Amino acid sequence: KNEVEQSPQNLTAQEGEFITINCSYSVGISALHWLQQHPGGGIVSLFMLSSGKKKHGRLIATINIQEKHSSLHITASHPRDSAVYICAVKGFQGAQKLVFGQGTRLTINP
Amino acid sequence: EPEVTQTPSHQVTQMGQEVILRCVPISNHLYFYWYRQILGQKVEFLVSFYNNEISEKSEIFDDQFSVERPDGSNFTLKIRSTKLEDSAMYFCASSGLVSGELFFGEGSRLTVL
Repeated sequence: KNEVEQSPQNLTAQEGEFITINCSYSVGISALHWLQQHPGGGIVSLFMLSSGKKKHGRLIATINIQEKHSSLHITASHPRDSAVYICAVKGFQGAQKLVFGQGTRLTINP
Repeated sequence: EPEVTQTPSHQVTQMGQEVILRCVPISNHLYFYWYRQILGQKVEFLVSFYNNEISEKSEIFDDQFSVERPDGSNFTLKIRSTKLEDSAMYFCASSGLVSGELFFGEGSRLTVL
């Protein structure tokens, strides 16, 4: 059974700061997802990655398969980035389900 | 941009009542999922559905739960006899065959009284 841990659980920063959210998992995976959950509850997929690094706008996601660790970075953070960021992993052997972390609540103050 | 739609957005029901939550996945997607999130807790996997059958389910998904794809567009989750502990946000998601990227609906909040 895969355990997914995120840190920090809560993060408050000032607008413009560089943000890093970390995710560690216990068992080998086929893919890792970074998701954003809005205050209203809706979930949006940000990245799906299985190796290396991906970038989309101000967001960067990296994964180290050997270390079983991924990071989500936000450059030039903005109040609209305030949300819960969730890491979720998918196992091997045809498994379809995602195992979710508990989320990191990010608040960016103007 | 294509999206996953869910109805209702919020349903309040009495304990013991049957509830059906509806989802319209993205039209060319082949994998469909239901997840739930109890208030303040992690999102949990319920069930995945592919090729008109359940491909994987969690231990949460017991005999009180069922899923169906009654036509070419809808994907439903039925809870036969709701319990207080079924109160949660239920998310439908879908993914394509190639990319594996997940698209989530906005969720259906179920409140069992």
